Amino acid sequence: ETGVTQTPRHLVMGMTNKKSLKCEQHLGHNAMYWYKQSAKKPLELMFVYSLEERVENNSVPSRFSPECPNSSHLFLHLHTLQPEDSALYLCASSQDGGGSYNEQYFGPGTRLTVT
Amino acid sequence: GQNIDQPTEMTATEGAIVQINCTYQTSGFNGLFWYQQHAGEAPTFLSYNVLDGLEEKGRFSSFLSRSKGYSYLLLKELQMKDSASYLCGVMDSNYQLIWGAGTKLIIKP
Repeated sequence: ETGVTQTPRHLVMGMTNKKSLKCEQHLGHNAMYWYKQSAKKPLELMFVYSLEERVENNSVPSRFSPECPNSSHLFLHLHTLQPEDSALYLCASSQDGGGSYNEQYFGPGTRLTVT
Repeated sequence: GQNIDQPTEMTATEGAIVQINCTYQTSGFNGLFWYQQHAGEAPTFLSYNVLDGLEEKGRFSSFLSRSKGYSYLLLKELQMKDSASYLCGVMDSNYQLIWGAGTKLIIKP
């Protein structure tokens, strides 16, 4: 496989469930990102990892918990979510976590619905 | 605060030309990106501008004016497959990408 892959593509969960989203990049990049995309709203950066260390956490609620075991894999653990958390969750990777040119490659996203 | 503005939706005709504008107010500037996102798919990179002027890449061109905090994406010879959302993103002084809400482009035959 090439590029950035995400599983599952669709997820429906209740507010008391615990689930995890998985992202894998096959590009040899050193930085990975989680974004939330809601309809008609800008992409919201949730977490950034560079060389497996978290460098950015934009005040995301603790019900979202990221994990980056290595530079190729990124997880987003979900628990006790709210209906307003329903959105498309996009994973991205880039060569580095900073620098003047930092093209990000996106995965197809996980469409999450919280009931 | 930081802000990226782009039109919510635009409609154009197959074969025509369309210009999608993006204005920004950010703390610092380290480049501007345009991405294309088809419904249900991943955003894909279109262009990057860090210096003023026009960058041309086939049917797509991107323009930047840093003094005006302004960019546009120009799409020529529109095809039905160009129907998508177009995302403008600006890298601020901390090299964090700030995104606009995207412009949904509808192409009609």
